[in-house]
Amino acid sequence: AQSVTQLGSHVSVSEGALVLLRCNYSSSVPPYLFWYVQYPNQGLQLLLKYTTGATLVKGINGFEAEFKKSETSFHLTKPSAHMSDAAEYFCAVSEGSYNTDKLIFGTGTRLQVFP
Amino acid sequence: EAGVVQSPRYKIIEKKQPVAFWCNPISGHNTLYWYLQNLGQGPELLIRYENEEAVDDSQLPKDRFSAERLKGVDSTLKIQPAELGDSAVYLCASSLGVMGVSDTQYFGPGTRLTVL
Repeated sequence: AQSVTQLGSHVSVSEGALVLLRCNYSSSVPPYLFWYVQYPNQGLQLLLKYTTGATLVKGINGFEAEFKKSETSFHLTKPSAHMSDAAEYFCAVSEGSYNTDKLIFGTGTRLQVFP
Repeated sequence: EAGVVQSPRYKIIEKKQPVAFWCNPISGHNTLYWYLQNLGQGPELLIRYENEEAVDDSQLPKDRFSAERLKGVDSTLKIQPAELGDSAVYLCASSLGVMGVSDTQYFGPGTRLTVL
């Protein structure tokens, strides 16, 4: 069965600093991988996703993630943090052969950005 | 285009009372999902619909939870009777549901349930 591990439930960075949120997955089939962001009292918004092809995926708001099969990782990065990036971030893997299948989420990482 | 709509946004009830949540997916989306999000956790799938058919309800506690998606559009999730442990956020999501094609689940804002 698929699973997702997000290392670090809380990450704090200064405005302008590099953001790195870690995600490792376990999957018995080629995975579809996702990063979602959740702002307070809101639903989840897709940041980016990997299905096939290029392993470096660019998303919205300047975020990107790299699929590394050998490391079973899909870490999320942003070169320069902005105050508006403060939110909860969830990594997810699709269980099944299609990315409309059930999503298995990690427990989330709360990003704090300090001025 | 309008996103996934959920109501109510907040609900406070006493234990043993019934409660219902409503979801209107994005127009044209065939697949609808209900997720449960406990505090400090990621969402967990409760049920997935393909049109009006529930194709995955393995995680739905059927002794107290029920769901329906009549006419394959709107959906209602019900809990009867509610227990203290049901306090959580209930998220609805929808997707086009076209298999084999890059697709995305779009989430609504959720309903925050508090059971006293």
